[in-house]
Amino acid sequence: SQKIEQNSEALNIQEGKTATLTCNYTNYSPAYLQWYRQDPGRGPVFLLLIRENEKEKRKERLKVTFDTTLKQSLFHITASQPADSATYLCALDGNYGQNFVFGPGTRLSVLP
Amino acid sequence: SQTIHQWPATLVQPVGSPLSLECTVEGTSNPNLYWYRQAAGRGLQLLFYSVGIGQISSEVPQNLSASRPQDRQFILSSKKLLLSDSGFYLCAWSVGVETQYFGPGTRLLVL
Repeated sequence: SQKIEQNSEALNIQEGKTATLTCNYTNYSPAYLQWYRQDPGRGPVFLLLIRENEKEKRKERLKVTFDTTLKQSLFHITASQPADSATYLCALDGNYGQNFVFGPGTRLSVLP
Repeated sequence: SQTIHQWPATLVQPVGSPLSLECTVEGTSNPNLYWYRQAAGRGLQLLFYSVGIGQISSEVPQNLSASRPQDRQFILSSKKLLLSDSGFYLCAWSVGVETQYFGPGTRLLVL
């Protein structure tokens, strides 16, 4: 069956450290993978998109990798800050190319 | 610039009552439109998506229906709400099949 999993439901790290979140998928062949941030009571906000032919993408303190062999994406936040505390969702294109499939999310808490 | 509106922000409804949630998008034409539901502490579940006026695809069988009467208007409805319909409902739009932009959401509590 098709699945998208994110490594843990919750992750606590110390301010200034690098947070690494994992997204694994099974029985999908996505053309791209995306990461979103969601704050409590709000809609998700797009952060980064990486295509299947890209190994790595960066945006300021964010870095995403995409390994289609391992069927895995890693999302890194360097020099993390308490303001980075939120739930992070990965998403990929669904089977019909017109919809999106989201992972369950990882709740990141950056402790001061 | 593009904006997406959802209303109401919060809704408390009794079991068996009807539902109508509205979503409108400004600043773009012929967007793909989506309705998601997010139960407390859970991931996003795609309910419906639409690639054009009157074109609705349903992802899961349920007590809800969707309509797209205008290009930038997407409505989520139910004739009789169930307790299990409680959740956080999110509307989103995209151009093509890449980035999605989400609305502020409607928190629905069915009692």
